Amino acid sequence: DGGITQSPKYLFRKEGQNVTLSCEQNLNHDAMYWYRQDPGQGLRLIYYSQIVNDFQKGDIAEGYSVSREKKESFPLTVTSAQKNPTAFYLCASSIHRGVSYEQYFGPGTRLTVT
Amino acid sequence: RKEVEQDPGPFNVPEGATVAFNCTYSNSASQSFFWYRQDCRKEPKLLMSVYSSGNEDGRFTAQLNRASQYISLLIRDSKLSDSATYLCVVRSNFGNEKLTFGTGTRLTIIP
Repeated sequence: DGGITQSPKYLFRKEGQNVTLSCEQNLNHDAMYWYRQDPGQGLRLIYYSQIVNDFQKGDIAEGYSVSREKKESFPLTVTSAQKNPTAFYLCASSIHRGVSYEQYFGPGTRLTVT
Repeated sequence: RKEVEQDPGPFNVPEGATVAFNCTYSNSASQSFFWYRQDCRKEPKLLMSVYSSGNEDGRFTAQLNRASQYISLLIRDSKLSDSATYLCVVRSNFGNEKLTFGTGTRLTIIP
C-alpha cells in the first residue's frame, strides 16, 4: 500500500524534553512538509523540503528542526525551545506534474506536553 | 486581511439538500486551488483540485471566480457522510510548492 505513515499517533512528553516525530512516505514524492494544527486555526507550515538534503523554514519554524537524509523520510524534532508544543502535527508529501499539483497527508501525531 | 478566508459555520443542512460555501483569497497571483475535507481528529483529505474555471466530481462542484477572487464548493444531494470540515487551500504560483490553508467551514448533515 502506498502512503504516508506517521508515528506514534499519540505522544506525551514532559516540558523541557526534545521529541522527534516520524514521517515516512513510499509514494516517491520529492517534496515533504510539516504542519501543525491548533483548534480554530488553519494548518500552519513549519518546515518543508523539496529535495533530499535540503529544507526550508516555513511560517513557524522557531523551536523546531528537521532533516531530510532520505527521500522517504522527513523527521521533525520539537525542541524545548518551542513555547507551545502541544498540537496536532501533520506530515505531507506532494507530487507536481506540469500544472497538476497534489499534496497528501499522513494520519498525524497528537503531541501533548505537560 | 487573511490570505484565505472561509466562513467557519457551522452549516447545519438536512439530508438531501444542496449546500454551497465560498472561500476568498487575497493573492491575485494564486494559480491553483483545492478543497480538502477533514473529519474530526483526522488528517485532511484532498477532495477536489481547481486549475481553471471549475471542476465537477459526482455530487461535488467547485467553481473559481478569478475576477472576484473566490472559490466555491457546491454539494448536491447531501449525505450524512458529508459531515466534515471543508478546507479551502490556495497555491500561489506554479513554482511555489507551498500551500495556504483556510481555517475551514464546518458542515453537519442532519437526518
